[in-house]
Amino acid sequence: LAKTTQPISMDSYEGQEVNITCSHNNIATNDYITWYQQFPSQGPRFIIQGYKTKVTNEVASLFIPADRKSSTLSLPRVSLSDTAVYYCLVEDSSASKIIFGSGTRLSIRP
Amino acid sequence: GAVVSQHPSWVICKSGTSVKIECRSLDFQATTMFWYRQFPKQSLMLMATSNEGSKATYEQGVEKDKFLINHASLTLSTLTVTSAHPEDSSFYICSARDSGRLSYEQYFGPGTRLTVT
Repeated sequence: LAKTTQPISMDSYEGQEVNITCSHNNIATNDYITWYQQFPSQGPRFIIQGYKTKVTNEVASLFIPADRKSSTLSLPRVSLSDTAVYYCLVEDSSASKIIFGSGTRLSIRP
Repeated sequence: GAVVSQHPSWVICKSGTSVKIECRSLDFQATTMFWYRQFPKQSLMLMATSNEGSKATYEQGVEKDKFLINHASLTLSTLTVTSAHPEDSSFYICSARDSGRLSYEQYFGPGTRLTVT
């Protein structure tokens, strides 16, 4: 299983764009990259998933370079409610288990 | 969207007793469910993979006789913490994949807070 490395924490302000980068140097050809958000005392919530280039949905964008050894989650115009822990995961194509890394604790200030 | 529920959402039990936590996929079938444990300010730690109709696969260091997992149907997996001790106090989270979809997305339950006194 590919390991992921993320910054432990990040701070930003309301209305700013936040980019969280994740490294996954050993990603395999069939692996997908998925980001989850977790609030205290809640289960993780799916944000976005991608394989290569760029993926965008109503809450975030995911940028993946050609070598796929890293990915960047972009949150546009964050608000206080975006304060949470964000996990970058590499999911095995066989749909077997996934391992959570340490995550990035994002704090948004007024 | 796909929903996973857990019951109870929180439970307090005395040391030495057993506690059962249920994980249900409400609108999809899941041949595989996962159980995680999370301590305060830490990441989720995978405990075991629950397979419908067969034995669970436990991660290294997780006692299978202490954490009993039963996946008797395509929508229900249970985790029983036997002879609970205060160090078992934690936040337990389950997740499931939709067996009918070609997606790697996992759907997580809301978690169960276990406190052992």
